[in-house]
Amino acid sequence: GENVEQHPSTLSVQEGDSAVIKCTYSDSASNYFPWYKQELGKRPQLIIDIRSNVGEKKDQRIAVTLNKTAKHFSLHITETQPEDSAVYFCAASPYGGSQGNLIFGKGTKLSVKP
Amino acid sequence: DAGVTQSPTHLIKTRGQQVTLRCSPKSGHDTVSWYQQALGQGPQFIFQYYEEEERQRGNFPDRFSGHQFPNYSSELNVNALLLGDSALYLCASSSGTVADTQYFGPGTRLTVL
Repeated sequence: GENVEQHPSTLSVQEGDSAVIKCTYSDSASNYFPWYKQELGKRPQLIIDIRSNVGEKKDQRIAVTLNKTAKHFSLHITETQPEDSAVYFCAASPYGGSQGNLIFGKGTKLSVKP
Repeated sequence: DAGVTQSPTHLIKTRGQQVTLRCSPKSGHDTVSWYQQALGQGPQFIFQYYEEEERQRGNFPDRFSGHQFPNYSSELNVNALLLGDSALYLCASSSGTVADTQYFGPGTRLTVL
């Protein structure tokens, strides 16, 4: 079955710097890749997603890139702010569309220092 | 527009007991997925309900069962609780045709003593 690996497990940056989190997946049939942000004690919040027919997607300070050949995708956060501090999870959907269970990575704890 | 809601917020049970958790999907959504999130880990898929039937199931034992009602709300039942069942249980709602775009509820924190 699908396996998603996420790196790094922890990431510390200075406010204003960029942060990059990388994920790899094993099942070439996966075609949907969301990213979730989870603050302490809160629900995972969908922040951006990408489908396999697109190579890059951007939403203000957040962008996701996908390399289908290499089977990896990355989250890029520019001009980081203290409120970006949270655990970020990547996920892959091995079936997509009408049968979409998500397989999650183990998470990256991002700390943004003021 | 109401988001995904779950009840109860917290629950404490003892080994061997049974528990029922509840979820109401986001308005306009008809699909509910359940996940177990252990401390420090990513959510793990339990099962997904659509049109009142279990559409997909993850690698969880039969002690975990569920139900979906005609109003699309859902229940997760766990029998014969083990200490290892202690976790945050999350439900996520989505639309049947785009079931992978999922929005999570706040979760139920289950502690098994």
